[in-house]
Amino acid sequence: AQSVTQLDSQVPVFEEAPVELRCNYSSSVSVYLFWYVQYPNQGLQLLLKYLSGSTLVKGINGFEAEFNKSQTSFHLRKPSVHISDTAEYFCAVSAPNTGFQKLVFGTGTRLLVSP
Amino acid sequence: DTEVTQTPKHLVMGMTNKKSLKCEQHMGHRAMYWYKQKAKKPPELMFVYSYEKLSINESVPSRFSPECPNSSLLNLHLHALQPEDSALYLCASSQDPPGVTSYNSPLHFGNGTRLTVT
Repeated sequence: AQSVTQLDSQVPVFEEAPVELRCNYSSSVSVYLFWYVQYPNQGLQLLLKYLSGSTLVKGINGFEAEFNKSQTSFHLRKPSVHISDTAEYFCAVSAPNTGFQKLVFGTGTRLLVSP
Repeated sequence: DTEVTQTPKHLVMGMTNKKSLKCEQHMGHRAMYWYKQKAKKPPELMFVYSYEKLSINESVPSRFSPECPNSSLLNLHLHALQPEDSALYLCASSQDPPGVTSYNSPLHFGNGTRLTVT
């Protein structure tokens, strides 16, 4: 089975500062990895995904993530955050060969951007 | 704007009521999902429909009854709910159905229905 750990429940940061949201996964098979963002009172929106190939993945809104197989990590980064980036961020994993597609979500990290 | 539309946005119901949540997508996706999200928690999978047939039921109580009338619509019928069922109910869809090992289609979520059971 797969699992995802997001160690930081909340990350406060000042506007225009860089940010990194950490995600570590556990799986005995190859996985697909995702980052979703959830703004208040909304559903989840896909930021980026890693399926295969280049380990550096670029997503929407200036976010990027790097897949590190040896460290089983998929940390999300942005070089300069905006107030509008304040939201809940979920890392998720799925295993393509488990017979069905099931996303396993981490517990989420709340990004708080202040002026 | 989301391509998965959910109605209503908010719903308050008593424990003896019967209500339905509706979800619609016109992206031609072949799989549709219901998730439940409690406050400050990640979404939890409830049901998956693949080609309009129920393919996954994550041991959800029978007071929740899903229905997929056609490839674009997904309903969740609610009856005799408990206050602890209050949550955000999210619908999602994906191009590829479960079981496709060459999956490369992410989930597209709606904005959810905020359900309060009194």
